Amino acid sequence: NAGVMQNPRHLVRRRGQEARLRCSPMKGHSHVYWYRQLPEEGLKFMVYLQKENIIDESGMPKERFSAEFPKEGPSILRIQQVVRGDSAAYFCASSEGTTNEKLFFGSGTQLSVL
Amino acid sequence: QKEVEQDPGPLSVPEGAIVSLNCTYSNSAFQYFMWYRQYSRKGPELLMYTYSSGNKEDGRFTAQVDKSSKYISLFIRDSQPSDSATYLCAISGSARQLTFGSGTQLTVLP
Repeated sequence: NAGVMQNPRHLVRRRGQEARLRCSPMKGHSHVYWYRQLPEEGLKFMVYLQKENIIDESGMPKERFSAEFPKEGPSILRIQQVVRGDSAAYFCASSEGTTNEKLFFGSGTQLSVL
Repeated sequence: QKEVEQDPGPLSVPEGAIVSLNCTYSNSAFQYFMWYRQYSRKGPELLMYTYSSGNKEDGRFTAQVDKSSKYISLFIRDSQPSDSATYLCAISGSARQLTFGSGTQLTVLP
């Protein structure tokens, strides 16, 4: 009865490198959400995906950030050419995809950009 | 004005006290109201979920929603040191994305 699984737990990148964050939703969940938590700030919505579809990316920065949730495998949040301001905790959540709005979160990936 | 306002605290109470945590929101279209608990370096854990005005109780936790005042509360009875965490209110409308408060840091002293 695994929950939402995220890896890696910690990721260190130098400026200009790429960061790939992975998220496997809870069993039976088909909807995935990515949130970012900056130091001293609340969680901010980034993107909402279903299998093979981006439903809402209104919270994604316009450049360097992308997300996917392929038919097979985990959801990926990709950050190209990272900058120091990208340092944050990135959380993935999943839901059943009914009218039920309950989101269950993973333990997050702490991204540090040197 | 932020869509969801939450007193950041920190809040420190003795063990056994009743804790009251609050949020206000500005958008009357919000329909779903949640409270999450987040321990340090962990993901948020869903505590309470409701979609109507009134009270909802689960063990030592009671969630209260007043849509007319756009005000939500979480009460913790008989607080325990293990309740020490950051508590986040979260609200959503029909768009499925949650809008979070900034969180209230709670410490329950033994």
